Amino acid sequence: DAGVIQSPRHEVTEMGQEVTLRCKPISGHDYLFWYRQTMMRGLELLIYFNNNVPIDDSGMPEDRFSAKMPNASFSTLKIQPSEPRDSAVYFCASSLVVRDAYGYTFGSGTRLTVV
Amino acid sequence: SQKIEQNSEALNIQEGKTATLTCNYTNYSPAYLQWYRQDPGRGPVFLLLIRENEKEKRKERLKVTFDTTLKQSLFHITASQPADSATYLCARDDMRFGAGTRLTVKP
Repeated sequence: DAGVIQSPRHEVTEMGQEVTLRCKPISGHDYLFWYRQTMMRGLELLIYFNNNVPIDDSGMPEDRFSAKMPNASFSTLKIQPSEPRDSAVYFCASSLVVRDAYGYTFGSGTRLTVV
Repeated sequence: SQKIEQNSEALNIQEGKTATLTCNYTNYSPAYLQWYRQDPGRGPVFLLLIRENEKEKRKERLKVTFDTTLKQSLFHITASQPADSATYLCARDDMRFGAGTRLTVKP
């Protein structure tokens, strides 16, 4: 299996532009998570899906952020409009089940820089 | 508020020694805790999960303990090697992570 695939690996955009991050989870995994990592705040859970349905979006910072999972093999995280404080590494992770001994499998992340 | 805290931001040890990292939680009783390793520029990689009814879990040179009285998990790496140098993160069962401890093993 190729693991969790995220694209792009790096994104540089200007303030005010729309940014879309993409994630392909491991086939058969029912849970998908979006995280944001910064030096100041560490790894923060933004939202997670179960069987394509958003379960907990309490970590989404504000209305500028939205996430979708149109099918079991694809999810997007969109920021519109982007701001410099959104600069971070965004990770997608997937899991077969929660509370399982196998943990979550993370992608390599998308490093977002908003200038 | 509910917190998960890793006591040390950084830990430096000599090769061959045992590294011990700490994860504490407050105002919360997780059913399990997870430990991950993260290398620079990479996503976290799952290492071990320990449930609240388990005192100890081992995997090769790794050992994790879970003390529900102290509300603490300890993560040990025995016979440490420079290749063990990385950031180690603990996570609660609600998928929230601690800030991580950066371990450096010096030859």
